[in-house]
Amino acid sequence: KQEVTQIPAALSVPEGENLVLNCSFTDSAIYNLQWFRQDPGKGLTSLLLIQSSQREQTSGRLNASLDKSSGRSTLYIAASQPGDSATYLCAVRISRLTFGEGTQLTVNP
Amino acid sequence: GAVVSQHPSRVICKSGTSVKIECRSLDFQATTMFWYRQFPKQSLMLMATSNEGSKATYEQGVEKDKFLINHASLTLSTLTVTSAHPEDSSFYICSASEPLDTEAFFGQGTRLTVV
Repeated sequence: KQEVTQIPAALSVPEGENLVLNCSFTDSAIYNLQWFRQDPGKGLTSLLLIQSSQREQTSGRLNASLDKSSGRSTLYIAASQPGDSATYLCAVRISRLTFGEGTQLTVNP
Repeated sequence: GAVVSQHPSRVICKSGTSVKIECRSLDFQATTMFWYRQFPKQSLMLMATSNEGSKATYEQGVEKDKFLINHASLTLSTLTVTSAHPEDSSFYICSASEPLDTEAFFGQGTRLTVV
């Protein structure tokens, strides 16, 4: 059974810092890995999708990497802003999406 | 990206009544949609996989007679919470992707409160 772990569970940083969120998974036979953002009481917004054959994806200040063999992914956020405050979820897909518990990020002005 | 619309965003109902939640894929056809439940401060729990034109597949522990799923067209799946009770109060989210192993898109979620 696939298990997805996200570390840290919560993170508080001052504005402008670069930060890294971690995601690990137990079964490396994945189709893809996806990072999401969830604001309180809202649905999920897709941030980045990495296919199993890819090593990284970038979108603006976000960069996600994937090391399938070791079962790890990182989400790098550059020059963090208060508007980045949210819960970040990673999910891996084999036959279905399996989610981590999320990292709650707070960026302080 | 593709858009998945979920309605309503919030609903309050009395115990014993039924509530229907709609999930629509607005700009693509979704043969398969997924329904999740999320408890406060927790991640998403897959409830069922909704298949167009056939019966939904429910996860272990999810009562199919309590949570009725209908996927009557390639753009619409509905989740009906029947005879709702306070313990059914939760945040319900649907998702769809096309094709199945590409990027998944999620609806806005529905906050159900049963009083």
